[in-house]
Amino acid sequence: KQEVTQIPAALSVPEGENLVLNCSFTDSAIYNLQWFRQDPGKGLTSLLLIQSSQREQTSGRLNASLDKSSGRSTLYIAASQPGDSATYLCAVKGSGGYQKVTFGTGTKLQVIP
Amino acid sequence: DGGITQSPKYLFRKEGQNVTLSCEQNLNHDAMYWYRQDPGQGLRLIYYSQIVNDFQKGDIAEGYSVSREKKESFPLTVTSAQKNPTAFYLCASSIGQGTGQPQHFGDGTRLSIL
Repeated sequence: KQEVTQIPAALSVPEGENLVLNCSFTDSAIYNLQWFRQDPGKGLTSLLLIQSSQREQTSGRLNASLDKSSGRSTLYIAASQPGDSATYLCAVKGSGGYQKVTFGTGTKLQVIP
Repeated sequence: DGGITQSPKYLFRKEGQNVTLSCEQNLNHDAMYWYRQDPGQGLRLIYYSQIVNDFQKGDIAEGYSVSREKKESFPLTVTSAQKNPTAFYLCASSIGQGTGQPQHFGDGTRLSIL
């Protein structure tokens, strides 16, 4: 059974700081990994999707990396802004059968002005 | 703009009552999903549908039912058999289940017990 862990559960940083969010998973047989952002009381917004054959994806100030062999992904946010404050979730899609998507519990980020 | 619309945003259920959450998408996606989100837990899959007139149970289907009569619609009914229905419900869709395409989410429905 795939398990996805995100540590820390919460993070507070001053504006302008570069930061890294971590996601680890127990089963390396994955199809892809997706990072989402969730604002309070809202749905999930897709940030980056990394296919299993890829090592990283970039979008603006965001960079996500994937190391399947070690079961880890990181989301790097450069020059953080107060508007980046949200909960960030990673989700792993399995490669077998139904290709189930397993979500982590998220990291709640607060960027302080 | 294409997207997923969930309604209502807030819903209250009385004891013994069934309630239905609406999910509509205009993305022309084949696959649709219902998740439940509880504080401190990851999203858990309730039901999914890969194509019209077909749906499958997810990890926590007990006390819930769905239908998929139209491609764009995937309503979820929370029945009186679901003893702990208070949660945030999220609907999602993707182009197809067997593709590497991302899931897109609606803004959710928060269900509470009266």
